[in-house]
Amino acid sequence: DTEVTQTPKHLVMGMTNKKSLKCEQHMGHRAMYWYKQKAKKPPELMFVYSYEKLSINESVPSRFSPECPNSSLLNLHLHALQPEDSALYLCASSLGLSTGNTIYFGEGSWLTVV
Amino acid sequence: DAKTTQPTSMDCAEGRAANLPCNHSTISGNEYVYWYRQIHSQGPQYIIHGLKNNETNEMASLIITEDRKSSTLILPHATLRDTAVYYCIVSFWTGTASKLTFGTGTRLQVTL
Repeated sequence: DTEVTQTPKHLVMGMTNKKSLKCEQHMGHRAMYWYKQKAKKPPELMFVYSYEKLSINESVPSRFSPECPNSSLLNLHLHALQPEDSALYLCASSLGLSTGNTIYFGEGSWLTVV
Repeated sequence: DAKTTQPTSMDCAEGRAANLPCNHSTISGNEYVYWYRQIHSQGPQYIIHGLKNNETNEMASLIITEDRKSSTLILPHATLRDTAVYYCIVSFWTGTASKLTFGTGTRLQVTL
């Protein structure tokens, strides 16, 4: 089982709203990731968590706030977003952080900012 | 991080083998080559990965050249459901975590 579950699948939010994207895995993976994918572009890394601690922040604006409450859950809190933040947000996980650990992706959350 | 170069698009007849090339001439010794595919509106699906040796699983085969500067993903009997964007990625170690940096990929169209 290599399942990463993301909710919601679709989200529409206004620029003054606060919302959250959620991600869950039960594979015992200790590393979790957020990627962002704009239309017709490849995914881009946003954040990496290892053992519930933030390992990488790819200079993401502070209106995106990640949280890893435990090793199975990863949230992305959204506040004061802009229309250009509309994209597919992908969560992923891997057993560990080394380059030989396969990263498995969820189906993504489609975000539209109006 | 090591960059990869792939053809923008390829066509393949259903039932034939699809051979997708990738160039990664700046790859370092401990960096793995990964292949993912993405079908429209879905998350990237892991296909296969390798370090030095050729690899095979139920989905595909991965052939890595001896100098590791290029690789080929082989789908032995392509079906219409294999139509997707295929990404060849070198997993890069940042010092704190590994990164998958996606390139633009190859759009594979499987036709009847």
